[in-house]
Amino acid sequence: AQKITQTQPGMFVQEKEAVTLDCTYDTSDQSYGLFWYKQPSSGEMIFLIYQGSYDEQNATEGRYSLNFQKARKSANLVISASQLGDSAMYFCAMSTFGNEKLTFGTGTRLTIIP
Amino acid sequence: EPEVTQTPSHQVTQMGQEVILRCVPISNHLYFYWYRQILGQKVEFLVSFYNNEISEKSEIFDDQFSVERPDGSNFTLKIRSTKLEDSAMYFCASSEALLKLQETQYFGPGTRLLVL
Repeated sequence: AQKITQTQPGMFVQEKEAVTLDCTYDTSDQSYGLFWYKQPSSGEMIFLIYQGSYDEQNATEGRYSLNFQKARKSANLVISASQLGDSAMYFCAMSTFGNEKLTFGTGTRLTIIP
Repeated sequence: EPEVTQTPSHQVTQMGQEVILRCVPISNHLYFYWYRQILGQKVEFLVSFYNNEISEKSEIFDDQFSVERPDGSNFTLKIRSTKLEDSAMYFCASSEALLKLQETQYFGPGTRLLVL
């Protein structure tokens, strides 16, 4: 079984600063994928970024990057130059090869302060 | 950009009533999912569906739940006799295929279900 742990229930960050959202995972599978989703107050789930367990490079998508440390089983999301529109809940999730369901963490509520 | 759509956006129902939540996945996607999120809690997997049958379901997905793909575009979740604890946001998601290591699941905007 897989497990995702997000230890930061809430974070406040000044606009334009970078922010790191923590995520650790636990699985005995060798092949897995890690995902980050954003959930604004309107409720929808927006896919941000994906990292495969065999990817040697950290994933990047615009202002989002994933700091993947396999030995530590961590997959932290880094948002550079934060904007007011980044205020939302952020969920880390994973799935394993051949088992397509996503297992989510409890989320981190990020608030960007002007 | 193609997206997953869900209807209705909100549904209020009486305990014991049947509800059907509807989803239109992205057109070339082959895997479909339902998740739920009780208010303030994390997102939980309910069921996955591929090739017109359930491929996996969680313990939440008991006999009160069923899924169907009645035509080439819609994917529905039925709750036969709703309970108070079924109140949650229900998300539909779809992914293209499991041809590579992992496929990203794209979520719809959700249906907020309130059972009174």
